[in-house]
Amino acid sequence: GAVVSQHPSWVICKSGTSVKIECRSLDFQATTMFWYRQFPKQSLMLMATSNEGSKATYEQGVEKDKFLINHASLTLSTLTVTSAHPEDSSFYICSAHRNMNTEAFFGQGTRLTVV
Amino acid sequence: AQRVTQPEKLLSVFKGAPVELKCNYSYSGSPELFWYVQYSRQRLQLLLRHISRESIKGFTADLNKGETSFHLKKPFAQEEDSAMYYCALQGGSNYKLTFGKGTLLTVNP
Repeated sequence: GAVVSQHPSWVICKSGTSVKIECRSLDFQATTMFWYRQFPKQSLMLMATSNEGSKATYEQGVEKDKFLINHASLTLSTLTVTSAHPEDSSFYICSAHRNMNTEAFFGQGTRLTVV
Repeated sequence: AQRVTQPEKLLSVFKGAPVELKCNYSYSGSPELFWYVQYSRQRLQLLLRHISRESIKGFTADLNKGETSFHLKKPFAQEEDSAMYYCALQGGSNYKLTFGKGTLLTVNP
């Protein structure tokens, strides 16, 4: 199957700093990637759709100035959590689709802890 | 609006017993339904999708449009089936997925 890689797998940062999470499709090109957030023992919540070469589409209630998404190439999307606060601590997961296939391939996730 | 409901957060069965993980959905159009699985310390991965109508690892799921359900079944559970299972719905052409809250399946020896 296709491979989607996230980096870093985990990160600890101080309140007020910004953190960048990368999502790469390693063996295919993805014009669209998705960013999810998962709280402990809860489901995945779609945050935004990352579109290559254009602005991301954010879900209702997600602050676009807080969660900056950049999809500058067909294999890389980045999520930057700006001015992080402890309530931003969560598990962030990205996904991508290959060749217009409906199957989503997921990254391994990034555990963000803001202290 | 699209919604996916998995009524059971936890499900525990013994090895060899049948297992059914329930999933109901709400969507006005023709959805595509999936089951995704997350084994311990692994990433989320596709288990099966309704359009394939195939059996994966002994699991099957039938889309019942009348009952708006897509329950996942396996006649004889194995210990290695222990995992978190998510039902997901994809409506429209933009690949956006709506997930249920997930069911943690534990298969006891």
